[in-house]
Amino acid sequence: GIQVEQSPPDLILQEGANSTLRCNFSDSVNNLQWFHQNPWGQLINLFYIPSGTKQNGRLSATTVATERYSLLYISSSQTTDSGVYFCAVDAGANNLFFGTGTRLTVIP
Amino acid sequence: EPEVTQTPSHQVTQMGQEVILRCVPISNHLYFYWYRQILGQKVEFLVSFYNNEISEKSEIFDDQFSVERPDGSNFTLKIRSTKLEDSAMYFCASSENAGQPQHFGDGTRLSIL
Repeated sequence: GIQVEQSPPDLILQEGANSTLRCNFSDSVNNLQWFHQNPWGQLINLFYIPSGTKQNGRLSATTVATERYSLLYISSSQTTDSGVYFCAVDAGANNLFFGTGTRLTVIP
Repeated sequence: EPEVTQTPSHQVTQMGQEVILRCVPISNHLYFYWYRQILGQKVEFLVSFYNNEISEKSEIFDDQFSVERPDGSNFTLKIRSTKLEDSAMYFCASSENAGQPQHFGDGTRLSIL
């Protein structure tokens, strides 16, 4: 099956700092989503971005499908941004393969 | 904004018992999914459902598991003869169509004792 790798696995930031999370995938995809899993376990859908660039407030994402990677940018981080960020891809079977996530901790 | 709802939020069950996890997908969505996440691990696909039948399933989804759409709104996951290793968070999701964004519920935390 498709391989999804995320980096870094762990990230600690001072509040107000910026960060970039990366997702590499091993095959062409027709769906790519970024999720934030909060401390209560909820999966919050951040972006549906099989290609191109999108922005939503302090967050933005870019997927370069031809090079098989996606980036999630977090600017001016806040403590509420803490949690695990997952990239998930669908290679055509209409099911999402999740990466192992990046655990982000934002300290005041 | 419409959302996927799951009940119960937490289920505690004795090993060997059967459990039914319930989900109400977004009303105009056609595809429904179940995923699970063992504590501290990544989210894993279990099964997808379309037009009243299973369209894809993973190796995890063996004869112990079944899904059903008993009426026009509910989508259920049944786990028979539960084992300790079935303890996990189970997420339901739905999408408008194939390849479209999947919207996740808040999950049911299943604890097998």
